[in-house]
Amino acid sequence: DAKTTQPPSMDCAEGRAANLPCNHSTISGNEYVYWYRQIHSQGPQYIIHGLKNNETNEMASLIITEDRKSSTLILPHATLRDTAVYYCIVRVAHFNNNDMRFGAGTRLTVKP
Amino acid sequence: DGGITQSPKYLFRKEGQNVTLSCEQNLNHDAMYWYRQDPGQGLRLIYYSQIVNDFQKGDIAEGYSVSREKKESFPLTVTSAQKNPTAFYLCASSTRKTSGTYNEQFFGPGTRLTVL
Repeated sequence: DAKTTQPPSMDCAEGRAANLPCNHSTISGNEYVYWYRQIHSQGPQYIIHGLKNNETNEMASLIITEDRKSSTLILPHATLRDTAVYYCIVRVAHFNNNDMRFGAGTRLTVKP
Repeated sequence: DGGITQSPKYLFRKEGQNVTLSCEQNLNHDAMYWYRQDPGQGLRLIYYSQIVNDFQKGDIAEGYSVSREKKESFPLTVTSAQKNPTAFYLCASSTRKTSGTYNEQFFGPGTRLTVL
C-alpha cells in the first residue's frame, strides 16, 4: 500500500474551515484514500473515503487532486469537538488482506 | 444499539501473566481486527479474521493469540511471551461487499492494558 505524508500538527479557529492535507505521491490506480480521526483515548472514527472524485458527507469533504497524488480533508465549520488526530490512509480494497495502515497522522487543535 | 464493545476499558496485570481482551460486535460484520497503539504512534495490526474459525497474523502477531469461534466475538490473548505488552488495544470490524472486498472498518472504544 502507498505511504502517506501528513503534517504532524495544525491549528484551526473555531467556526472556520479546517483543511488537512495529505500527500500520497506513490498511490496506484486502484488505491482508495481513507480518512479517520481519533479523539484522545478513543477508537478511530471513520470519516470519508474516495477514489478519484471529490466526496462529501455530513462530516466532511474530501478533495482529491486530478493526478491523485494528494488530497485534502475539509471540515467546513470546525468545532472544539473536532480536536483529534486525523489519519490519511491509502489502500486497495483487498479481497484477502484487508487492513488499515495508520501512520502518525495530523494532530488538529481547534481553538476558541 | 449496534456497535463494537471492548471490555474492560482499563486492565492491569502482573508481568508474566496471560490476559484476554474481549471484543464483541452486533453489526453482523464478517471481518474483525485487533490493533495495538503505543503513545503518539499510529495503529499496528496484530491479527485479523475474515470468517469464523479462520484468522491471519498481522504485522506484530508475536506474543499474541486469537480465536474466532463465533462471528460476533474475537478475543485477543496477550501472552507472557509478549515482551512489551503495555499499550492501547483496539478492535475493529468491517462488512464484506458482494464484490468480495471489504468496507471501511469501525472501531471499538479500546482497552488500555498496563503490565506492572
